[in-house]
Amino acid sequence: GQNIDQPTEMTATEGAIVQINCTYQTSGFNGLFWYQQHAGEAPTFLSYNVLDGLEEKGRFSSFLSRSKGYSYLLLKELQMKDSASYLCAVMDSNYQLIWGAGTKLIIKP
Amino acid sequence: DTAVSQTPKYLVTQMGNDKSIKCEQNLGHDTMYWYKQDSKKFLKIMFSYNNKELIINETVPNRFSPKSPDKAHLNLHINSLELGDSAVYFCASSQDSGSGANVLTFGAGSRLTVL
Repeated sequence: GQNIDQPTEMTATEGAIVQINCTYQTSGFNGLFWYQQHAGEAPTFLSYNVLDGLEEKGRFSSFLSRSKGYSYLLLKELQMKDSASYLCAVMDSNYQLIWGAGTKLIIKP
Repeated sequence: DTAVSQTPKYLVTQMGNDKSIKCEQNLGHDTMYWYKQDSKKFLKIMFSYNNKELIINETVPNRFSPKSPDKAHLNLHINSLELGDSAVYFCASSQDSGSGANVLTFGAGSRLTVL
């Protein structure tokens, strides 16, 4: 079956750096997405990786290794507003999105 | 201007009732979706329409019936509501459905509570 694994919850300190990992096993691969979802709100798009390597976008970076079925989202200079759930999703060979359960990130002052 | 708007935001109803959730997008996207997010926060695809045509119909009870009058609207009607239908239902849209970089724009969600 198809599977996306990511930690359920992580805690980090304001101003620090945190890395949220995602491993996947899917039928084919057409890209990996990270979405941010604040409590009670809609998911919003953060990043898309289809080739191996690091994509940087301001304080957020996303890394992909297709051979290892692995990605991470790196958040730098953490701010309180970064407290949210971070959802990893993979597009399979049929262009269907397979979603992880999300990682709830708690930022402490 | 809200890109993807869905109504109502909250819906509390009794078991056995029938209810509808409406969704509209003003992004000019060709594809629209309904997702269900349960208490464990998994996002599960229910339906997907491309230009008013059904392209994804996951295993959901036939009490759930989507309707797309045009490519900017995708409504969800639920018959004979059950306790297990309680969840947040998200509408989303994307430019198309058959490409890799297919970014979804979500509506704010409709929280359905069945008593």
